[in-house]
Amino acid sequence: GAVVSQHPSWVICKSGTSVKIECRSLDFQATTMFWYRQFPKQSLMLMATSNEGSKATYEQGVEKDKFLINHASLTLSTLTVTSAHPEDSSFYICSAGQSGANVLTFGAGSRLTVL
Amino acid sequence: QKEVEQDPGPLSVPEGAIVSLNCTYSNSAFQYFMWYRQYSRKGPELLMYTYSSGNKEDGRFTAQVDKSSKYISLFIRDSQPSDSATYLCAMFSGTYKYIFGTGTRLKVLA
Repeated sequence: GAVVSQHPSWVICKSGTSVKIECRSLDFQATTMFWYRQFPKQSLMLMATSNEGSKATYEQGVEKDKFLINHASLTLSTLTVTSAHPEDSSFYICSAGQSGANVLTFGAGSRLTVL
Repeated sequence: QKEVEQDPGPLSVPEGAIVSLNCTYSNSAFQYFMWYRQYSRKGPELLMYTYSSGNKEDGRFTAQVDKSSKYISLFIRDSQPSDSATYLCAMFSGTYKYIFGTGTRLKVLA
């Protein structure tokens, strides 16, 4: 079945630094990937849609300069949290869908802690 | 009103019980309905996927969709402690933009 790998699974960084999270589709190509944010005991909130070879589409209220998304290949999308602050601490999850399929496969998530 | 409503729980049941999890929605354009299971600090894992109305069974899990009532359910038979997790319903109308419920936290007691 489709597998989405996310790395790192957990990262701690100092306030003001930037952190990059990778999302890879391991056994299929994904022209579109999605990035979500999840706070404790809350549901997933879609942040942006990552499109291979073009700019990401951000949801309302999500700062595109804060959360940089790059989708340079059909199997890799990256989310960079720039100048991270403690309020950026959260669980970030990516997902991707195989072409022709309607179901998304999710990565295992990346926990970001900003000190 | 949220597009998808789901009782957050927590729901505690004894081992072996039948569990019923539900979501209601307001957008009649939704055609694809999913149930995901999420363990603590992990990504969501697809359990069931249903297109349009009807029932679908897979082992101990049964998904039901009633589009006329805008209501979907997930039943878990013979629940096990390993079923303890958060269950998220998700739906969309034809693009990949999923709308999630808030998730129901389930605890199956041994």
